[in-house]
Amino acid sequence: QVQLVDSGGGLVKPGGSLRLSCVASGFSFSDSYMSWIRQAPGKGLEWVSYISPADSTIYYADSVKGRFIISRDNTKNSLFLQMNSLRAADTAVYFCARARLDTAMTPYFDSWGQGSLVTVAS
Amino acid sequence: SYELTQPPSVSVSPGQTAIITCSGEKLGERYTSWYQQRPGQSPVLVIYQDRKRPSGIPERFSGSNSGNTATLTISGTQTMDESDYYCQAWDSNSGVVFGGGTKLTVL
Repeated sequence: QVQLVDSGGGLVKPGGSLRLSCVASGFSFSDSYMSWIRQAPGKGLEWVSYISPADSTIYYADSVKGRFIISRDNTKNSLFLQMNSLRAADTAVYFCARARLDTAMTPYFDSWGQGSLVTVAS
Repeated sequence: SYELTQPPSVSVSPGQTAIITCSGEKLGERYTSWYQQRPGQSPVLVIYQDRKRPSGIPERFSGSNSGNTATLTISGTQTMDESDYYCQAWDSNSGVVFGGGTKLTVL
């Protein structure tokens, strides 16, 4: 079955960097759109970034544009999020998710990882 | 930026019908998805493309979308349905947009 395993979270100081990973199994990762979505403690879901199967299409939320970089390694069924210049407001559980496209070619998310907690504090 | 608005909370008695709304400008012209999130767990897709149910999602979950409002309806609500629910759509300028979430209480 589809499985997404997030890792790489931890405590980091403001201005620091962290790299999240997500290993996928049970489906054709190289053919799949993938995304990162986060949830601050006690808050709602916030989309972070989105990448197409061959890296040709990448989107970022305005809140992370210029600081975060999404990437993937299809040979290792892995998705990554490089987070730089971290702020307290970036504190959240980060979920990787598989994106499917509806008939209007817009995404929805049918499988989610368990989440990885990132805490930005001094 | 595009915004989706949900009521913070909805209450329903067991066996009754729960209706959760999601409002956005011309939302009916976009597809809407819905996610269920129980405390401490990852979200689960319950409706996509306005009204389609993924395999394994009970028939009591249904969706609709018209005008400026999408609606998630849970018929014969069970105590296990008590969760947070989020709507989601796509905007060409804002990207993926989630509603603020609705806490469904079954009591």
